[in-house]
Amino acid sequence: GAGVSQSPSNKVTEKGKDVELRCDPISGHTALYWYRQSLGQGLEFLIYFQGNSAPDKSGLPSDRFSAERTGGSVSTLTIQRTQQEDSAVYLCASSLGLPPAVEQFFGPGTRLTVL
Amino acid sequence: TQLLEQSPQFLSIQEGENLTVYCNSSSVFSSLQWYRQEPGEGPVLLVTVVTGGEVKKLKRLTFQFGDARKDSSLHITAAQPGDTGLYLCAGAPADNDYKLSFGAGTTVTVRA
Repeated sequence: GAGVSQSPSNKVTEKGKDVELRCDPISGHTALYWYRQSLGQGLEFLIYFQGNSAPDKSGLPSDRFSAERTGGSVSTLTIQRTQQEDSAVYLCASSLGLPPAVEQFFGPGTRLTVL
Repeated sequence: TQLLEQSPQFLSIQEGENLTVYCNSSSVFSSLQWYRQEPGEGPVLLVTVVTGGEVKKLKRLTFQFGDARKDSSLHITAAQPGDTGLYLCAGAPADNDYKLSFGAGTTVTVRA
């Protein structure tokens, strides 16, 4: 498959535990985005990677959230000491080239449930 | 608080009817995108509009960008059950055009 893939598809964890969410973007796409989608809400921007530039982390909601992108490809979003309000669907997207008006291709998301 | 307000939140219509979804903001955007999302999947881009007053047609879907580039609408003619889904608008601000602001979405159900 040539699309964006994310793993795991579902993750249930206990409050206080750390979780790692993985995103494999489309090969050759230089830009990678992470979003959070809560029930009844639109997508909330979290972080943006573009090539070798410093990422825009301005959307990360707290210092418990971090993300990295290794080798310009795979990305991992880490949430430390998870809280119940972190429960949401975490979506990753990638795009080829620079904005504006560049199509973002989304993965199916990881549904995170914090008990 | 959503930067982009979508209305209505829910829409249920009979096959063959027309529908319109609205996306409004007090902010100006350099471009605006419409996506459709189905359960368990990520959003899929339908269209991007970049010019104030622009109208784009995609088969039975018509998209309009307001003259002031603050609002947009999506009109579906003769809706079909396959049009069922969550429709999301997303605006790109001029200063950070990769940082899309999404509306909360309109859930459309087309009954056969």
